[in-house]
Amino acid sequence: EVQLVQSGAEVKKPGESLKISCKGSRYSFTNYWIGWVRQMPGKGLECMGIIYPGDSDTRYSPSFQGQVTISADKSISTAYLEWRSLKASDTAIYFCARQDDGYNLDIWGQGTMVTVSS
Amino acid sequence: NFMLTQPHSVSESPGKTVTLSCTRSSGSIASNYVQWYQQRPGSAPTTVIYEDNQRPSGVPDRFSGSIDSSSNSASLTISGLKTEDEADYYCQSYDSSKWVFGGGTKLTVL
Repeated sequence: EVQLVQSGAEVKKPGESLKISCKGSRYSFTNYWIGWVRQMPGKGLECMGIIYPGDSDTRYSPSFQGQVTISADKSISTAYLEWRSLKASDTAIYFCARQDDGYNLDIWGQGTMVTVSS
Repeated sequence: NFMLTQPHSVSESPGKTVTLSCTRSSGSIASNYVQWYQQRPGSAPTTVIYEDNQRPSGVPDRFSGSIDSSSNSASLTISGLKTEDEADYYCQSYDSSKWVFGGGTKLTVL
């Protein structure tokens, strides 16, 4: 079964750094765009940015440019989302998703809950 | 850049038909495919319609999608509503290398 498996829930303090992961399996990881989607508590879906693991071409949504870093390690079929200095407002569920050729997000990770609290 | 606007909430009775709308703010709705995702509480979204009107395998034919250039909007129609259809529904398209989501519609089946 084609799947994306994300790392587990995190509890952090403001100012701390964090890197969460999204591992693809049973498909050619380098041939599909992968994106990160934020869902704040009780709110909708927001695209943070996307990456093409084949060449690490990365595109950020304007609201998230400079706030996070998206990367990928194609040797282990894993994409990452990283913060250098977390804020309480980063508390949310973060999903990774695979984009197919028609821009459908056909495979989703299970989500990673990030809680930032002092 | 464009936005996708969805009604915040819709309610309908079991067995009825409901249509959820998704209006594009600028540019033609036909310019980029529209997808629809269902998200139940505590779960990741799943596709119910892709490429405007295509159903993934496993999605019942009670779900259908369309676009209307005159209103510059996309629609998701669910017929024969079941209580299990109660969920949040998001439309999504693509613009300048990023995914654009509508704000989501909470569908209540009561």
